[in-house]
Amino acid sequence: NAGVMQNPRHLVRRRGQEARLRCSPMKGHSHVYWYRQLPEEGLKFMVYLQKENIIDESGMPKERFSAEFPKEGPSILRIQQVVRGDSAAYFCASSPVGFDIRTEAFFGQGTRLTVV
Amino acid sequence: QQQVKQSPQSLIVQKGGIPIINCAYENTAFDYFPWYQQFPGKGPALLIAIRPDVSEKKEGRFTISFNKSAKQFSLHIMDSQPGDSATYFCAARLDRGSTLGRLYFGRGTQLTVWP
Repeated sequence: NAGVMQNPRHLVRRRGQEARLRCSPMKGHSHVYWYRQLPEEGLKFMVYLQKENIIDESGMPKERFSAEFPKEGPSILRIQQVVRGDSAAYFCASSPVGFDIRTEAFFGQGTRLTVV
Repeated sequence: QQQVKQSPQSLIVQKGGIPIINCAYENTAFDYFPWYQQFPGKGPALLIAIRPDVSEKKEGRFTISFNKSAKQFSLHIMDSQPGDSATYFCAARLDRGSTLGRLYFGRGTQLTVWP
């Protein structure tokens, strides 16, 4: 049973380019969370998605950031016109269908984005 | 606003020692308090978790102590080993309402266990 798969593991972008981060949840999981980890800091919630729905995007910056989780394929976190401050590790977590208080979310290995 | 505050930022112990990491939270509505272990270049992995209706939970060498009235909880690692060297994060979660499932993390504690 493969875990949460994120790719790429490392991504380098020049200022102004677009970054696309992909997350394939664990098999049978239809809930996806994205978190951002800045150096020397804990993870900060960005967005919570279910298949074809954004449930909670209150942690997402209002501009340049968007996320989707289509019916088929991975969840995508997109950052347009990247700036140096976007350099961070981005983690995706997934949890099962019928999420309830007894379930746990499992994290992927993250994508390390470096903006040069 | 940091909803979960964690200390210390770093910790060094000898092998066999008992490192203790402390966390404090603000929101009394939190339902679930997990601890995560993270090795360099890896994602966080759930280590142990507790709910506010119990004061202590033990799994192997890892123990969570929970003080609901003080809004504090801590992680104790018994007989620590060099392989325990990692960054540890405490977190809190609301299991209801619009923020269902969202985790609020502390800033992390970098633990080093010397052989």
